[in-house]
Amino acid sequence: KAGVTQTPRYLIKTRGQQVTLSCSPISGHRSVSWYQQTPGQGLQFLFEYFSETQRNKGNFPGRFSGRQFSNSRSEMNVSTLELGDSALYLCASSTWGGATEAFFGQGTRLTVV
Amino acid sequence: TQLLEQSPQFLSIQEGENLTVYCNSSSVFSSLQWYRQEPGEGPVLLVTVVTGGEVKKLKRLTFQFGDARKDSSLHITAAQPGDTGLYLCAGFTGGGNKLTFGTGTQLKVEL
Repeated sequence: KAGVTQTPRYLIKTRGQQVTLSCSPISGHRSVSWYQQTPGQGLQFLFEYFSETQRNKGNFPGRFSGRQFSNSRSEMNVSTLELGDSALYLCASSTWGGATEAFFGQGTRLTVV
Repeated sequence: TQLLEQSPQFLSIQEGENLTVYCNSSSVFSSLQWYRQEPGEGPVLLVTVVTGGEVKKLKRLTFQFGDARKDSSLHITAAQPGDTGLYLCAGFTGGGNKLTFGTGTQLKVEL
């Protein structure tokens, strides 16, 4: 079956702009989680969506937001970009429940200049 | 804030050597997973451990979950160049699929 698809793979934005990243989960998976990966902070949880509702949220400012559509596809948005937002943004697709396997996409590499 | 500290941070060894990576926390996790990530790719799940004291073996990889469910270890026997990558432990603490990831161990196995 097809894996998790994230688009775009690479993105360069200017400080102050906003950006939208997309994630299509594995067919049948209704849970989508987003993570930010940087060399300094490692992998950090942003938020999780299930059935179009945000179920969990990490410790990120309100500039980071997301949503999920009825077909389980998810988008995350970052407004008023800062240099520190440069990172690899990873999307994980799962079934709902504890200790499930997370299937990660290849990520979107965002560079803010 | 629940933190998962991994050690060592970097490891460079020769093919055939054995190694152990540690994952420690002051918090209790309901279950813990180990992932491996290669450059340009997302992490890939290796194993999930659920019960305190549990040991799981995956070919040359042995995973152990601490009795108190606060720590875990990954032991690789006879490392191969194909084992090269970033190893990440990650813990579940409650409902949903929120994972708290460890600080990571970058492993390089040379011929």
